[in-house]
Amino acid sequence: DAKTTQPTSMDCAEGRAANLPCNHSTISGNEYVYWYRQIHSQGPQYIIHGLKNNETNEMASLIITEDRKSSTLILPHATLRDTAVYYCIVRALKTSYDKVIFGPGTSLSVIP
Amino acid sequence: EAQVTQNPRYLITVTGKKLTVTCSQNMNHEYMSWYRQDPGLGLRQIYYSMNVEVTDKGDVPEGYKVSRKEKRNFPLILESPSPNQTSLYFCASSSPGLSYEQYFGPGTRLTVT
Repeated sequence: DAKTTQPTSMDCAEGRAANLPCNHSTISGNEYVYWYRQIHSQGPQYIIHGLKNNETNEMASLIITEDRKSSTLILPHATLRDTAVYYCIVRALKTSYDKVIFGPGTSLSVIP
Repeated sequence: EAQVTQNPRYLITVTGKKLTVTCSQNMNHEYMSWYRQDPGLGLRQIYYSMNVEVTDKGDVPEGYKVSRKEKRNFPLILESPSPNQTSLYFCASSSPGLSYEQYFGPGTRLTVT
């Protein structure tokens, strides 16, 4: 079973902020939250990751709650090109294993 | 250009005919993984490798083999393909550094009849 849960689908008006939630209530102390997106059937693309502090890069912002049980990916000004499936995963770094579990993700539709 | 390449991109084969899907990365990454993607199921990890000669099972390893003889290559082998292995396959690589993000290949669409 996926270690994260996300809404199946969301809509967002072009130019508005898209806020994509993710629950990861069983996250461990050494696990980071990563976000990827997949456009059509292309290879997933890394967006952003974080441990406990909020993070921002040129693509998005990541807000992680203080208890780390949930997070929100924010696309500040959504464009039609942001229409994609967004995956939230948790992944531990520098361990003796590299098992990664993706859930079904959130299908984001940006509407003109 | 940093990239993960997969070959072939498309393959139609018949049940039982052994096949290999190649994966190569040019970023000197230690970690590599294979995933399959089926409608409604997201990506499921088949096998992963944390270094040369070090491989381990992911969530759905049955019917697949892998090898990691060189750091840059991580081929996926289907000894006796069956129709339930019809899927979209992705290879990914990453390095246990600061970011640890995975770089994904373009995908291989496999159909087994």
